Amino acid sequence: GAVVSQHPSRVICKSGTSVKIECRSLDFQATTMFWYRQFPKQSLMLMATSNEGSKATYEQGVEKDKFLINHASLTLSTLTVTSAHPEDSSFYICSARVPTPSYEQYFGPGTRLTVT
Amino acid sequence: AQSVTQLGSHVSVSEGALVLLRCNYSSSVPPYLFWYVQYPNQGLQLLLKYTTGATLVKGINGFEAEFKKSETSFHLTKPSAHMSDAAEYFCAVSGATGNQFYFGTGTSLTVIP
Repeated sequence: GAVVSQHPSRVICKSGTSVKIECRSLDFQATTMFWYRQFPKQSLMLMATSNEGSKATYEQGVEKDKFLINHASLTLSTLTVTSAHPEDSSFYICSARVPTPSYEQYFGPGTRLTVT
Repeated sequence: AQSVTQLGSHVSVSEGALVLLRCNYSSSVPPYLFWYVQYPNQGLQLLLKYTTGATLVKGINGFEAEFKKSETSFHLTKPSAHMSDAAEYFCAVSGATGNQFYFGTGTSLTVIP
């Protein structure tokens, strides 16, 4: 099956700094990737849809200036949390949509962000 | 609009007992339905999916689910629970374009030895 990786798996940063999370499709090209946020004991919340070569589409309530998404290639999307604060601490998961069938998504292993 | 409801945020079963995790969906178009499992601090692993065809779908680790259109349900079952089944389970629905997955709130499964 299709494999999606995320890096780093865990990151601790100080309040006010920025942190970048990478999402890669390892064995397929993904024109569309998705970024989710998961709070403890809760479901996944879609943050944004990342389309290769174009601007990301953010869900309502998600600050686009705070969560910068770049999808510069068909195998890489990045999420940058700018000026991180403790309330940004969360588990971030990306997924990539396979070319066919178009309804399939494969999920990365997630990134645990802790802001101190 | 699409939505997913998982009845029971916590389910406990004895080892060897039947596992039943409930999922109901609402969808204005024929849905694609998925069950995922998540272990602590890990991503989501696909258990099984329904797209078209046979309504009883078999997945990994002995799990299966049945799509019942009349009941708008896609309940997950396993005849005999194993300790390793303890995890969080998510039901999800997407449309034909796969532009967005709608997840249920999840069910935490505890297996009692």
